[in-house]
Amino acid sequence: AQSVSQHNHHVILSEAASLELGCNYSYGGTVNLFWYVQYPGQHLQLLLKYFSGDPLVKGIKGFEAEFIKSKFSFNLRKPSVQWSDTAEYFCAVKPNSGGYQKVTFGTGTKLQVIP
Amino acid sequence: NAGVTQTPKFQVLKTGQSMTLQCAQDMNHEYMSWYRQDPGMGLRLIHYSVGAGITDQGEVPNGYNVSRSTTEDFPLRLLSAAPSQTSVYFCASSYRQIGSYEQYFGPGTRLTVT
Repeated sequence: AQSVSQHNHHVILSEAASLELGCNYSYGGTVNLFWYVQYPGQHLQLLLKYFSGDPLVKGIKGFEAEFIKSKFSFNLRKPSVQWSDTAEYFCAVKPNSGGYQKVTFGTGTKLQVIP
Repeated sequence: NAGVTQTPKFQVLKTGQSMTLQCAQDMNHEYMSWYRQDPGMGLRLIHYSVGAGITDQGEVPNGYNVSRSTTEDFPLRLLSAAPSQTSVYFCASSYRQIGSYEQYFGPGTRLTVT
């Protein structure tokens, strides 16, 4: 079974600072990777996803993530954060094969952006 | 489209009571799932369904039942509520097609069991 590790539980940044949130997974085969965001009081929304091809994936609101297969990593980045990016961020992994495959979520990283 | 809807938004139960959390989607998604979200533990899969009439257990199924009589609806039943079931519950749905598979989440139900 797969697993996901998010190393940073709580990150505090000032506006305009750069962001990088770590995500590592363990699984022996090919995977699909996701970053979801949960704004305060809201449900999870997809930020970006990787299925195949270019390992640098661009998502909504200026976020991007890079899949490094050799490191089993899928770190989330944003060059300049805004106060509105305050949210909880979840990395998720799913085996890339047919049929229903369970999505495993990391424990989440709470990002607080200070104006 | 309304997407994924869940009712109720909030619920307080006493230990031993039963209730059903409702989930519906209008996107004709084949897959539906129930998760619980607890602080520091991320989302954990309770039950899932790959289509009408087909359900299976996830990581933490004990104390919960599901059924899927239609493509649209996927209710979650708490048989005898316990304080350990205090959590936020999310329903999610997705297409079955290979190469896609992003999940769409409902707004959640915050459940407190006293």
